[in-house]
Amino acid sequence: DIQMTQSPSSLSASVGDRVTITCRASQGISNSLMWFQQQPGKAPKSLIYAASGLQSGVPSKFSGSGSGTDFTLTISGLQPEDFATYYCLQYKSFPWTFGQGTKVEIK
Amino acid sequence: VQLVESGGGLVQPGRSLRLSCTASGFTFGDYAMSWFRQAPGKGLEWVGVIRVKSSGGTTESAASVKGRFTISRDDSESVAYLQMNSLQTEDTAVYYCSRSGVGPTHFDYWGQGTLVTVSS
Repeated sequence: DIQMTQSPSSLSASVGDRVTITCRASQGISNSLMWFQQQPGKAPKSLIYAASGLQSGVPSKFSGSGSGTDFTLTISGLQPEDFATYYCLQYKSFPWTFGQGTKVEIK
Repeated sequence: VQLVESGGGLVQPGRSLRLSCTASGFTFGDYAMSWFRQAPGKGLEWVGVIRVKSSGGTTESAASVKGRFTISRDDSESVAYLQMNSLQTEDTAVYYCSRSGVGPTHFDYWGQGTLVTVSS
């Protein structure tokens, strides 16, 4: 199975900050990686597909990069609605696997 | 596009439950359908996927549910099912379905989730 190591597990940031979350795959997954945002009690929301593709309707302050084993999600200009938990998911091979999640909290 | 899960509830260990994911607003038969779950206070876990009929309608599933859970689909009714047998307390979770397309349509829509509680 491909293990996805996501870091940090949590971070505190202020409104307006730029934050970066990383995911590392235990083996190469090309660009078969997605990023999701999840608000408490809600279903996940797709932000980024194929490592760097911005999902329709998602603001451009979200960006993804990487290929192979190392990936990043960057959020520019944090707003109150961006405080949530973020997950990466690899879909290169079964079983599809998530990172452990990164909780972004208000400082 | 809308996905609505149903069928969750309280069930005793060892019993069975079937979840439904009813789709609307898109051509259901053109999409694979996936199930995910999230135990209380935990992260997301992929449960399994069923391919489109043109790809054989075959399924893949996580090791934690293999042999106990079965995914099926009824394209005429636009419904995907998750049959859960031999339920264990560790299967307690909110279960979500999502459509699996290509590129931006991969996991772009999710249901609201349905809670399954396995407890005596």
